[in-house]
Amino acid sequence: GAGVSQSPRYKVAKRGQDVALRCDPISGHVSLFWYQQALGQGPEFLTYFQNEAQLDKSGLPSDRFFAERPEGSVSTLKIQRTQQEDSAVYLCASSPRDPYEQYFGPGTRLTVT
Amino acid sequence: GENVEQHPSTLSVQEGDSAVIKCTYSDSASNYFPWYKQELGKRPQLIIDIRSNVGEKKDQRIAVTLNKTAKHFSLHITETQPEDSAVYFCAAPIYGNNRLAFGKGNQVVVIP
Repeated sequence: GAGVSQSPRYKVAKRGQDVALRCDPISGHVSLFWYQQALGQGPEFLTYFQNEAQLDKSGLPSDRFFAERPEGSVSTLKIQRTQQEDSAVYLCASSPRDPYEQYFGPGTRLTVT
Repeated sequence: GENVEQHPSTLSVQEGDSAVIKCTYSDSASNYFPWYKQELGKRPQLIIDIRSNVGEKKDQRIAVTLNKTAKHFSLHITETQPEDSAVYFCAAPIYGNNRLAFGKGNQVVVIP
């Protein structure tokens, strides 16, 4: 079946621009996670949804980061006024009932110039 | 919170040999331990996982062993092939939170 998909795959933004990253989870998956992966590092947790409810946003690095999943399916991660330190790969993962069994999308590589 | 560490950071093996990489965690309440494989520019792929009620799980050439007393689990790859070259990440749950903490990754290089 179809896996987790993300778009765009690559995004270049000028510092100060707003960006929106999209995640399409595996159909029927209840849980959805966003991670940030810096070069040479493991994924770092940003936020977690169960259906449409955002249950944990403790990993969001600043109030410039905002995520939503209004209908409990597709999710969008928005970064306002991008900074150079926001450059990273943003990964989305979804899981069925067990939130720990996570399946990742291909990621969006964000470069802020 | 959960601390997850992986050793060694880089491992080179000859094709056909075995590779073993180890992951230690800090939260004794953790009960689910996955390994992910990430090739350059690709998504992390769940390759095997183990729950705390078993000590070992095998799937063809890969296996995971768990030592709950020592709080570590290991990935074993036998008869390594060039396509096994990748970065491998381990993870463990953060108790009380529905999320995983990831290690920094092990670079495995299989030399043909």
